[in-house]
Amino acid sequence: DQQVKQNSPSLSVQEGRISILNCDYTNSMFDYFLWYKKYPAEGPTFLISISSIKDKNEDGRFTVFLNKSAKHLSLHIVPSQPGDSAVYFCAARSSDSNYQLIWGAGTKLIIKP
Amino acid sequence: EAGVAQSPRYKIIEKRQSVAFWCNPISGHATLYWYQQILGQGPKLLIQFQNNGVVDDSQLPKDRFSAERLKGVDSTLKIQPAKLEDSAVYLCASSLVNSGYTFGSGTRLTVV
Repeated sequence: DQQVKQNSPSLSVQEGRISILNCDYTNSMFDYFLWYKKYPAEGPTFLISISSIKDKNEDGRFTVFLNKSAKHLSLHIVPSQPGDSAVYFCAARSSDSNYQLIWGAGTKLIIKP
Repeated sequence: EAGVAQSPRYKIIEKRQSVAFWCNPISGHATLYWYQQILGQGPKLLIQFQNNGVVDDSQLPKDRFSAERLKGVDSTLKIQPAKLEDSAVYLCASSLVNSGYTFGSGTRLTVV
């Protein structure tokens, strides 16, 4: 039972263009969503998050959009840079789950020069 | 602020051998997590500690995996005996209550 799904295992984007990474979830009790970035041989690092009471959160080149009715969130990176090449994980949390995160399988983003 | 420290970084063992991983969380972080990440999948929670007490170990294969957190600080995760399917990256993370996680660099285990 995959509660958090990232259906694209990989995505290739030209440098300077917009990267859009998608994430779908099934549990309507999720109230907080996070994106993590992972380079090879390193642990995931926190990138950006959004509470379920919002529909958008922006931090520099990174924006996360949340569509609660569709149970869908997306991460936009604009403009994409070579250093953005990494695996991006979507994660979600519900307030009744000991603050544990439920993770997607990740999307590998490749930024082409 | 020092990050989450894990050791070793890499480990190769034969099946049926035992192995142990060590984690030192960020100072003051009460919550500590051990995750297993298999290639192509998201991290899977194995065990969650709050100080030195276990909050959730429902996904820990207790016939072969064990974990402890001494004095609510450092933690060790042990596998005995290891199976081929245990090959994965083992990630430790820590957090304050109700805050974001900080992950260590992980231990890549290969069982041959």
